[in-house]
Amino acid sequence: AQKVTQAQTEISVVEKEDVTLDCVYETRDTTYYLFWYKQPPSGELVFLIRRNSFDEQNEISGRYSWNFQKSTSSFNFTITASQVVDSAVYFCALSENGSSNTGKLIFGQGTTLQVKP
Amino acid sequence: DTEVTQTPKHLVMGMTNKKSLKCEQHMGHRAMYWYKQKAKKPPELMFVYSYEKLSINESVPSRFSPECPNSSLLNLHLHALQPEDSALYLCASSQLGLTNTGELFFGEGSRLTVL
Repeated sequence: AQKVTQAQTEISVVEKEDVTLDCVYETRDTTYYLFWYKQPPSGELVFLIRRNSFDEQNEISGRYSWNFQKSTSSFNFTITASQVVDSAVYFCALSENGSSNTGKLIFGQGTTLQVKP
Repeated sequence: DTEVTQTPKHLVMGMTNKKSLKCEQHMGHRAMYWYKQKAKKPPELMFVYSYEKLSINESVPSRFSPECPNSSLLNLHLHALQPEDSALYLCASSQLGLTNTGELFFGEGSRLTVL
Protein backbone atom coordinates (compact mmCIF):
# COMPACT_ATOMS: atom_id res chain seq x y z
CA ALA A 1 0.00 0.00 0.00
CA GLN A 2 1.09 3.56 -0.57
CA LYS A 3 1.52 5.76 2.43
CA VAL A 4 3.07 9.07 3.42
CA THR A 5 4.12 9.71 7.00
CA GLN A 6 4.85 13.10 8.46
CA ALA A 7 5.77 12.26 12.01
CA GLN A 8 5.97 15.86 13.19
CA THR A 9 2.48 17.13 13.94
CA GLU A 10 3.52 20.59 15.08
CA ILE A 11 6.78 22.48 15.11
CA SER A 12 7.41 25.84 16.71
CA VAL A 13 10.55 27.85 16.02
CA VAL A 14 11.73 31.38 16.50
CA GLU A 15 12.29 33.53 13.46
CA LYS A 16 15.65 33.03 11.72
CA GLU A 17 15.99 29.48 12.96
CA ASP A 18 16.39 26.69 10.41
CA VAL A 19 13.73 24.00 10.46
CA THR A 20 13.41 20.62 8.74
CA LEU A 21 10.11 18.94 8.02
CA ASP A 22 10.33 15.18 7.67
CA CYS A 23 8.49 13.03 5.13
CA VAL A 24 8.75 9.27 4.74
CA TYR A 25 6.85 7.41 2.06
CA GLU A 26 5.99 3.85 1.12
CA THR A 27 5.29 2.62 -2.38
CA ARG A 28 5.84 -0.46 -4.51
CA ASP A 29 5.89 1.57 -7.70
CA THR A 30 9.20 2.15 -9.42
CA THR A 31 7.92 5.36 -10.97
CA TYR A 32 6.28 7.92 -8.75
CA TYR A 33 6.19 11.61 -7.91
CA LEU A 34 6.62 13.34 -4.60
CA PHE A 35 5.33 16.78 -3.73
CA TRP A 36 5.35 19.39 -1.03
CA TYR A 37 2.44 21.77 -0.60
CA LYS A 38 2.03 24.71 1.76
CA GLN A 39 -1.38 25.59 3.20
CA PRO A 40 -1.51 29.03 4.83
CA PRO A 41 -4.52 30.05 6.93
CA SER A 42 -6.27 31.29 3.77
CA GLY A 43 -6.81 27.65 2.83
CA GLU A 44 -5.26 27.41 -0.60
CA LEU A 45 -2.78 24.60 -1.12
CA VAL A 46 0.30 26.14 -2.70
CA PHE A 47 2.50 23.85 -4.77
CA LEU A 48 6.15 24.07 -3.70
CA ILE A 49 8.01 21.27 -5.45
CA ARG A 50 7.68 18.06 -7.45
CA ARG A 51 10.29 15.36 -7.60
CA ASN A 52 10.12 12.20 -9.71
CA SER A 53 11.52 8.92 -8.52
CA PHE A 54 14.40 8.96 -10.97
CA ASP A 55 15.75 12.31 -9.91
CA GLU A 56 17.54 12.18 -6.60
CA GLN A 57 19.24 15.51 -6.95
CA ASN A 58 18.61 17.79 -4.05
CA GLU A 59 17.08 21.12 -4.85
CA ILE A 60 17.41 24.58 -3.43
CA SER A 61 15.03 27.45 -4.08
CA GLY A 62 15.88 30.52 -2.08
CA ARG A 63 15.46 29.66 1.59
CA TYR A 64 13.85 26.31 0.74
CA SER A 65 15.73 23.09 0.11
CA TRP A 66 14.68 19.50 -0.36
CA ASN A 67 16.59 16.30 0.33
CA PHE A 68 15.31 13.25 -1.55
CA GLN A 69 16.81 9.91 -0.55
CA LYS A 70 15.36 6.79 -2.14
CA SER A 71 17.47 4.55 0.08
CA THR A 72 15.55 5.73 3.12
CA SER A 73 12.31 6.61 1.28
CA SER A 74 12.49 10.13 2.59
CA PHE A 75 11.82 13.53 1.08
CA ASN A 76 12.64 16.11 3.70
CA PHE A 77 12.08 19.84 3.45
CA THR A 78 14.29 22.45 5.10
CA ILE A 79 13.52 26.12 5.56
CA THR A 80 16.59 28.21 6.26
CA ALA A 81 16.31 31.40 8.30
CA SER A 82 12.59 30.93 8.87
CA GLN A 83 10.21 33.87 8.75
CA VAL A 84 6.81 34.49 10.27
CA VAL A 85 5.26 34.21 6.79
CA ASP A 86 6.42 30.60 6.68
CA SER A 87 3.83 29.75 9.32
CA ALA A 88 1.46 27.29 7.68
CA VAL A 89 0.57 23.64 7.41
CA TYR A 90 2.92 21.74 5.12
CA PHE A 91 1.84 18.57 3.34
CA CYS A 92 4.04 15.98 1.71
CA ALA A 93 2.27 13.95 -0.97
CA LEU A 94 2.86 10.96 -3.25
CA SER A 95 1.19 10.38 -6.59
CA GLU A 96 -0.39 6.99 -6.99
CA ASN A 97 0.78 4.43 -9.51
CA GLY A 98 3.37 6.68 -11.02
CA SER A 99 1.11 7.90 -13.78
CA SER A 100 -0.10 10.89 -11.81
CA ASN A 101 -2.86 11.13 -14.36
CA THR A 102 -5.52 10.31 -11.83
CA GLY A 103 -4.60 13.20 -9.63
CA LYS A 104 -4.92 10.89 -6.70
CA LEU A 105 -2.36 12.29 -4.35
CA ILE A 106 -1.65 10.41 -1.15
CA PHE A 107 -1.15 13.11 1.46
CA GLY A 108 0.69 12.90 4.74
CA GLN A 109 -1.10 14.15 7.83
CA GLY A 110 0.61 17.51 7.57
CA THR A 111 3.02 19.40 9.80
CA THR A 112 1.90 22.67 11.33
CA LEU A 113 4.80 25.09 11.45
CA GLN A 114 4.62 28.12 13.69
CA VAL A 115 7.34 30.69 13.35
CA LYS A 116 7.38 33.16 16.22
CA PRO A 117 8.84 36.65 15.87
CA ASP B 1 -2.98 34.93 -6.75
CA THR B 2 -4.38 31.49 -7.43
CA GLU B 3 -5.35 30.64 -10.99
CA VAL B 4 -8.12 28.37 -9.77
CA THR B 5 -11.07 30.42 -8.58
CA GLN B 6 -13.70 29.05 -6.25
CA THR B 7 -17.00 30.61 -5.24
CA PRO B 8 -18.39 31.16 -2.75
CA LYS B 9 -15.57 31.38 -0.23
CA HIS B 10 -18.00 30.73 2.62
CA LEU B 11 -21.36 29.01 2.60
CA VAL B 12 -23.80 28.27 5.40
CA MET B 13 -26.73 26.03 4.59
CA GLY B 14 -29.43 24.05 6.28
CA MET B 15 -29.88 20.34 5.84
CA THR B 16 -32.81 20.84 3.48
CA ASN B 17 -31.16 23.42 1.25
CA LYS B 18 -29.80 22.97 -2.24
CA LYS B 19 -26.66 24.89 -3.07
CA SER B 20 -23.73 24.69 -5.45
CA LEU B 21 -20.01 25.28 -5.25
CA LYS B 22 -18.29 26.59 -8.37
CA CYS B 23 -14.75 26.33 -9.63
CA GLU B 24 -13.09 27.89 -12.67
CA GLN B 25 -9.64 27.63 -14.19
CA HIS B 26 -8.17 29.16 -17.34
CA MET B 27 -4.87 27.34 -17.50
CA GLY B 28 -6.02 24.94 -20.21
CA HIS B 29 -5.94 22.02 -17.81
CA ARG B 30 -8.07 19.04 -18.80
CA ALA B 31 -8.35 17.43 -15.38
CA MET B 32 -10.31 18.92 -12.50
CA TYR B 33 -10.79 17.64 -8.98
CA TRP B 34 -12.85 18.07 -5.85
CA TYR B 35 -11.20 17.44 -2.50
CA LYS B 36 -12.75 17.63 0.94
CA GLN B 37 -10.69 18.74 3.92
CA LYS B 38 -11.74 18.54 7.54
CA ALA B 39 -9.99 20.64 10.17
CA LYS B 40 -6.44 19.51 10.94
CA LYS B 41 -6.64 16.72 8.37
CA PRO B 42 -5.18 16.28 4.89
CA PRO B 43 -7.38 16.74 1.82
CA GLU B 44 -9.37 13.71 0.71
CA LEU B 45 -10.15 13.12 -2.95
CA MET B 46 -13.85 13.10 -3.87
CA PHE B 47 -14.08 13.30 -7.67
CA VAL B 48 -11.86 13.56 -10.72
CA TYR B 49 -12.92 14.75 -14.16
CA SER B 50 -10.70 14.00 -17.12
CA TYR B 51 -11.59 15.63 -20.43
CA GLU B 52 -14.94 16.67 -18.94
CA LYS B 53 -15.86 13.11 -18.03
CA LEU B 54 -16.10 11.74 -14.53
CA SER B 55 -13.17 9.34 -14.14
CA ILE B 56 -13.03 8.84 -10.38
CA ASN B 57 -15.73 8.87 -7.73
CA GLU B 58 -14.29 7.94 -4.36
CA SER B 59 -17.57 6.42 -3.14
CA VAL B 60 -18.94 9.84 -2.31
CA PRO B 61 -22.57 9.96 -1.06
CA SER B 62 -25.11 10.95 -3.69
CA ARG B 63 -25.99 14.11 -1.79
CA PHE B 64 -22.85 15.46 -3.49
CA SER B 65 -23.31 15.72 -7.25
CA PRO B 66 -20.44 16.93 -9.43
CA GLU B 67 -20.83 18.50 -12.84
CA CYS B 68 -18.29 19.58 -15.43
CA PRO B 69 -20.06 21.81 -18.00
CA ASN B 70 -16.84 22.47 -19.93
CA SER B 71 -13.10 22.17 -19.59
CA SER B 72 -12.84 25.34 -17.50
CA LEU B 73 -15.71 24.88 -15.09
CA LEU B 74 -16.46 22.44 -12.32
CA ASN B 75 -19.48 22.49 -10.05
CA LEU B 76 -20.41 20.59 -6.94
CA HIS B 77 -24.14 20.46 -6.27
CA LEU B 78 -25.14 19.97 -2.65
CA HIS B 79 -28.46 18.64 -1.43
CA ALA B 80 -29.69 17.30 1.90
CA LEU B 81 -26.29 17.57 3.52
CA GLN B 82 -25.50 16.57 7.08
CA PRO B 83 -23.64 18.61 9.70
CA GLU B 84 -20.68 16.24 9.38
CA ASP B 85 -20.31 17.43 5.77
CA SER B 86 -19.09 20.77 7.09
CA ALA B 87 -15.55 21.15 5.74
CA LEU B 88 -13.31 23.04 3.35
CA TYR B 89 -13.99 21.97 -0.23
CA LEU B 90 -11.01 22.39 -2.49
CA CYS B 91 -11.05 22.43 -6.25
CA ALA B 92 -7.89 21.64 -8.21
CA SER B 93 -6.80 21.26 -11.81
CA SER B 94 -3.90 19.68 -13.61
CA GLN B 95 -2.58 18.86 -17.04
CA LEU B 96 -3.14 15.51 -18.63
CA GLY B 97 -1.27 13.38 -21.13
CA LEU B 98 2.37 13.77 -22.03
CA THR B 99 2.52 17.27 -20.60
CA ASN B 100 1.32 16.08 -17.23
CA THR B 101 3.93 16.77 -14.59
CA GLY B 102 1.75 15.66 -11.75
CA GLU B 103 1.23 18.75 -9.70
CA LEU B 104 -2.24 19.93 -8.89
CA PHE B 105 -3.11 23.59 -8.71
CA PHE B 106 -5.59 24.31 -5.95
CA GLY B 107 -8.08 27.07 -5.35
CA GLU B 108 -8.56 28.73 -1.96
CA GLY B 109 -11.49 26.54 -1.17
CA SER B 110 -15.11 26.99 -0.18
CA ARG B 111 -15.69 26.69 3.54
CA LEU B 112 -19.03 24.99 4.04
CA THR B 113 -21.03 24.93 7.26
CA VAL B 114 -24.12 22.75 7.47
CA LEU B 115 -26.52 23.61 10.27
